[in-house]
Amino acid sequence: DGGITQSPKYLFRKEGQNVTLSCEQNLNHDAMYWYRQDPGQGLRLIYYSQIVNDFQKGDIAEGYSVSREKKESFPLTVTSAQKNPTAFYLCASSIVGANTGELFFGEGSRLTVL
Amino acid sequence: QQQVKQSPQSLIVQKGGISIINCAYENTAFDYFPWYQQFPGKGPALLIAIRPDVSEKKEGRFTISFNKSAKQFSLHIMDSQPGDSATYFCAASMGHYGQNFVFGPGTRLSVLP
Repeated sequence: DGGITQSPKYLFRKEGQNVTLSCEQNLNHDAMYWYRQDPGQGLRLIYYSQIVNDFQKGDIAEGYSVSREKKESFPLTVTSAQKNPTAFYLCASSIVGANTGELFFGEGSRLTVL
Repeated sequence: QQQVKQSPQSLIVQKGGISIINCAYENTAFDYFPWYQQFPGKGPALLIAIRPDVSEKKEGRFTISFNKSAKQFSLHIMDSQPGDSATYFCAASMGHYGQNFVFGPGTRLSVLP
């Protein structure tokens, strides 16, 4: 089955530690995205990538970093510079130039900073 | 101007009733308006979407009503079922590119049996 796989589903981190969230897709989509979801707020874009080896900052990129070395993979690193990292993180993908604009989401990773 | 407002924040409906969620936007450049459904612990999934050249779109029990002049759009769920209990997000986009999506804050719907 095609889809997006995020891991781990739950992650606990001590303050000052960097953590990396994995996102893999087998939909053959060119574009991939990372969103952050907080209670009572809409999804906010952290980073996106439309092509391998290229990515752009979204609205809340500070304290995060990404890489896109392979089309199917788009890992997100939450650095110690992120002041409030506890949140639900969603990875998504889409077809570039598609008429529908549909975003396909993974099941998310919940990060808790202790 | 990039904000999408959504109301209510939460909604409780009896089984068989109609659920209505409203959204409003300011940016007239938006040309794609999707609704996403999210179950607890899962990622959102596209439910239904509309373009501003039509005033209504229906898919099964789900209908989007779109009022271009008022810059408002709404989701109606007819004959609401307990299985519809989820969080619903409206969104707006320019050119339906993923990076341009602006999401509303979400509405948590509970349908009582």
